[in-house]
Parts: sequence; structure tokens; C-alpha cells
Amino acid sequence: GAGVSQTPSNKVTEKGKYVELRCDPISGHTALYWYRQSLGQGPEFLIYFQGTGAADDSGLPNDRFFAVRPEGSVSTLKIQRTERGDSAVYLCASSTRDGRTYEQYFGPGTRLTVT
Amino acid sequence: QKEVEQNSGPLSVPEGAIASLNCTYSDRGSQSFFWYRQYSGKSPELIMFIYSNGDKEDGRFTAQLNKASQYVSLLIRDSQPSDSATYLCAVQGGSEKLVFGKGTKLTVNP
Repeated sequence: GAGVSQTPSNKVTEKGKYVELRCDPISGHTALYWYRQSLGQGPEFLIYFQGTGAADDSGLPNDRFFAVRPEGSVSTLKIQRTERGDSAVYLCASSTRDGRTYEQYFGPGTRLTVT
Repeated sequence: QKEVEQNSGPLSVPEGAIASLNCTYSDRGSQSFFWYRQYSGKSPELIMFIYSNGDKEDGRFTAQLNKASQYVSLLIRDSQPSDSATYLCAVQGGSEKLVFGKGTKLTVNP
């Protein structure tokens, strides 16, 4: 079946601009996660949704970052007033979280470059 | 601060050998443990998960977990050049988020 999809695959933006990154999880997966990965590092947790609500947003670095999942499926990560330090690969993952298994499956990522 | 530590490598093994990748974690309450493979320029791919102490085998891969020592490892038997990648250890505690190590870069030489 189809995996997690993310769009765009690449995004180049100027410092100070607003960007939106989209994630479409695996069909039937109720849990959705956002991570970001800098070069040479492991992915770093940003936010987790169970259904429509953000169950854990403790990883969002500051209030310029916001994410939504209005219908419990597709999610959008929004970054305001982008800074060069926001440049990274933004990864989305989804999971069934059915009480027995907790495996998270990642999408291909969006490479964000802030110039 | 919950941490996951991995040797960054690079780890180099000849084709056909056993590759051993190690990971330690600081949160004693951690419950689930995952190994992801990441090829250069690609996203992490889940290859193994383990929840209970002991060994779990899947084909050429064996995950080993020792919660008392806060240690998890991945063995790759009969290593192939296609196994060359960065291997990420990830740990899940009481919350849903995964905490990742920085990864170990593995090179399998033909």
C-alpha cells in the first residue's frame, strides 16, 4: 500500500518568509509525528498528533512553529518568519498506535533551505 | 535530558562478515526500541523493533535488548554492500516520541 507522502520534496525560501509543509500519513494510521533532521544528526521530535489534536508539542522550538491536523489525516507544519537555522529535512511519520504496536514509518521528507 | 548514544563510526566490515551496532540509552523507563536504516539522502527506514529483553531475529538481522544494562544492539549477518548505510537507534519511553541517536555509519566492503 501507499506509504507516508510529503510535499514539497524541496523548498527554498528567503529568510523571514512563511512556509507550509504537508504530510499525508498511511491510510488508517491515527498517530502522526513531525521530526526534523539536521546533517549528521538523528531526527529530532517536534510534535505528535493523535487524531485531530496535538497530544505532545514539546519539541516545537519556539512559537514560530505550528502544526495542524484538522480532519485527523493530512497534517501541515507551518513555520513563520523563517530563519537560516530552520534549514533541515523535515520528516513526517505515522503509526497505527493500536495498543500492540508502536512502530513509526517515515515519509521521504521535505528538505527546507532558508537563504 | 533523555539520551541515546551510538558510536558514530564509521564501522567498516568485509562482505560476508557480521556487523555489530551498539546503542545505550539513559531513560530506564524506556519501553520500545527501534533500529532504522538510512541511506544517504533518504529518509529512515524501519528494519527492526524489540520490546522485550532478549534476542529477536528477522532474516539476517538480530536485535538484542538488555534493559538492566540499558543496552540495545543490532547484528547484521552475512553483510552485503547494500547494507552500507547509517543505522539509527531510537528509543520510546512513556511518551509517544522517539528519541534517536546520531547514528552509526556502516560500510561493507566487497
